[in-house]
Amino acid sequence: SQQGEEDPQALSIQEGENATMNCSYKTSINNLQWYRQNSGRGLVHLILIRSNEREKHSGRLRVTLDTSKKSSSLLITASRAADTASYFCATAPNFNKFYFGSGTKLNVKP
Amino acid sequence: DAGVTQSPTHLIKTRGQQVTLRCSPKSGHDTVSWYQQALGQGPQFIFQYYEEEERQRGNFPDRFSGHQFPNYSSELNVNALLLGDSALYLCASSLTGATDTQYFGPGTRLTVL
Repeated sequence: SQQGEEDPQALSIQEGENATMNCSYKTSINNLQWYRQNSGRGLVHLILIRSNEREKHSGRLRVTLDTSKKSSSLLITASRAADTASYFCATAPNFNKFYFGSGTKLNVKP
Repeated sequence: DAGVTQSPTHLIKTRGQQVTLRCSPKSGHDTVSWYQQALGQGPQFIFQYYEEEERQRGNFPDRFSGHQFPNYSSELNVNALLLGDSALYLCASSLTGATDTQYFGPGTRLTVL
């Protein structure tokens, strides 16, 4: 399978703490993306990192990519209750097909 | 500027029936992809349509078919429904040749009884 796999499967933290989730994948990629999903609704695109990039920031989000280890991490700093959601990484071996992992379920307690 | 829209929101069918789900892409987008998301799982790629043709297909049987219209909207058809087809069906649109970010609709929840 070319799917990314997130780790941990579930994460529970207090508001204000940082949340880190990881993604591993199996084949070479053009890019890797992170998405958020609230309660079985549609996915919201968070950030895209290309295979020639090592780190990217967007607001409270920081994504790293290590292509030698075929892994990526998503860091959410100063988490809020509104960050409670499932987070998925998606890998794209080409521009036309995306593979999602099973997700990390994040619970941020107020 | 409307985002990706899907209809219907919810649908209940019985085994053996056929279903059609609809998707309108984000304005300006010409590519539509369909995903199946079972409960507690990540989305699974079904297929992608561009210029009214199926360009890529995931590991789904021929019971799953689709269509893209000249206005870029798309339909997903599933024949001979099985209980295991119960899932959230997501449509995503993108603009070929530009960024490869996909924008997702809210999904259609299909329940097969």
